[in-house]
Amino acid sequence: DGGITQSPKYLFRKEGQNVTLSCEQNLNHDAMYWYRQDPGQGLRLIYYSQIVNDFQKGDIAEGYSVSREKKESFPLTVTSAQKNPTAFYLCASRKEAEAFFGQGTRLTVV
Amino acid sequence: RKEVEQDPGPFNVPEGATVAFNCTYSNSASQSFFWYRQDCRKEPKLLMSVYSSGNEDGRFTAQLNRASQYISLLIRDSKLSDSATYLCVVNWAGTASKLTFGTGTRLQVTL
Repeated sequence: DGGITQSPKYLFRKEGQNVTLSCEQNLNHDAMYWYRQDPGQGLRLIYYSQIVNDFQKGDIAEGYSVSREKKESFPLTVTSAQKNPTAFYLCASRKEAEAFFGQGTRLTVV
Repeated sequence: RKEVEQDPGPFNVPEGATVAFNCTYSNSASQSFFWYRQDCRKEPKLLMSVYSSGNEDGRFTAQLNRASQYISLLIRDSKLSDSATYLCVVNWAGTASKLTFGTGTRLQVTL
């Protein structure tokens, strides 16, 4: 079945550590996105990529980094520079109108 | 002013009721519009696109008012299973595939 997969589902990070969230899609979509969701704030765009080896900052890119070496993969690294990383992270891919989301990763800093 | 604004709710309605949500957007160059549904602690899923002439899908009707820069979602004959958060999503013209989400409106349908 085609779809978009995020892993892990839950992730715990110690302060000062970098962590990488995985996002893989087999939908053959060019565009991929990372969003962060906090209670009461909806989805905020972190980074997006419209083509392999190219990506753009979204509204809240500080403290995050991404890569797009393959069409299928768009990993997000949450660096120690991100001061408040605890959130629900959603990856999406899109071809035309509809965006398909992965099931999300809940990141908690302990 | 936020780019996309929604009333967060919650809207508490009895089964069978009709409920409507509005969403306003600030950029008049916005190109395309969508309603997504998000269940608690789950990912958003597309409910319906919103077309200029308005469109209907079963009990759901979406409308666009470009002059006033808002879109609406009407749900008729509400079901318990309609309980969720409804997200308004706007695609800006000129920024290709960048989607901007509203904060969502929570709907709770009760017996």
